[in-house]
Amino acid sequence: SAVISQKPSRDICQRGTSLTIQCQVDSQVTMMFWYRQQPGQSLTLIATANQGSEATYESGFVIDKFPISRPNLTFSTLTVSNMSPEDSSIYLCSVGVLDTGELFFGEGSRLTVL
Amino acid sequence: AQRVTQPEKLLSVFKGAPVELKCNYSYSGSPELFWYVQYSRQRLQLLLRHISRESIKGFTADLNKGETSFHLKKPFAQEEDSAMYYCALHSGSARQLTFGSGTQLTVLP
Repeated sequence: SAVISQKPSRDICQRGTSLTIQCQVDSQVTMMFWYRQQPGQSLTLIATANQGSEATYESGFVIDKFPISRPNLTFSTLTVSNMSPEDSSIYLCSVGVLDTGELFFGEGSRLTVL
Repeated sequence: AQRVTQPEKLLSVFKGAPVELKCNYSYSGSPELFWYVQYSRQRLQLLLRHISRESIKGFTADLNKGETSFHLKKPFAQEEDSAMYYCALHSGSARQLTFGSGTQLTVLP
C-alpha cells in the first residue's frame, strides 16, 4: 500500500491565476497519476507523471494548461494554469504500486475558481 | 474503446435490505474489473477486484462476460455502507483504468 498526502485540500482562486497542487507519497513509486473529478462526473485521467521526463498527457489535456513536475519517485506537482470557472473540480493524485488496476488515492484538492 | 456504465447516479435502500449497484462495461479484450468506494470525507479506495473473488464488508461482485456486467451486491445493507461507489475497468497498464460515473448509495435507517 501507499500513503499519499495531497495539499492544499481546498482552495478558492480567482480567474486567470494559477494553483500548484502537491502530492507526497510515503514510499517510492513508479507510477503516479493525476485525475480530475468534476461535480457529478467520473474520474478522468489528466496525465501520468513520469520521473525524470515529461508527463504523458491524455487526450484533451495539454502541458501548457496542466504542467506537471516529478522530481523524484515520491513527489509530484500539478499546476492548473490560467484558471477559469470550468476548472473548478477535485484534483486527485494517485499511485499504482503494481502495473494493475489497483490505485491508491490522495484525499483530493477541491478547487473553486471564481 | 472501453467504457464503463453505471446507470444509477443515486440509489437508496433501507437498512437490512439487499442492495445491488449495477455496472456494465464495453471492452473487446479480457477485462479486469474493480469496485472503488469513497465514504464521506474519506479518500477513494479499492473495495474489491473480480480476480480475487473475495467478499469485502459483505459485498461481492461477479463478472458476467455474457452480459458484460460486474454488479456489486450485498444481501443486507448497513448504514455505514452509504458512500459513493465507482466501477472501474482495467486494460493493460495502470494508466488504462476507466471509471464509471459512480453511484451514490444511501442506506436509510
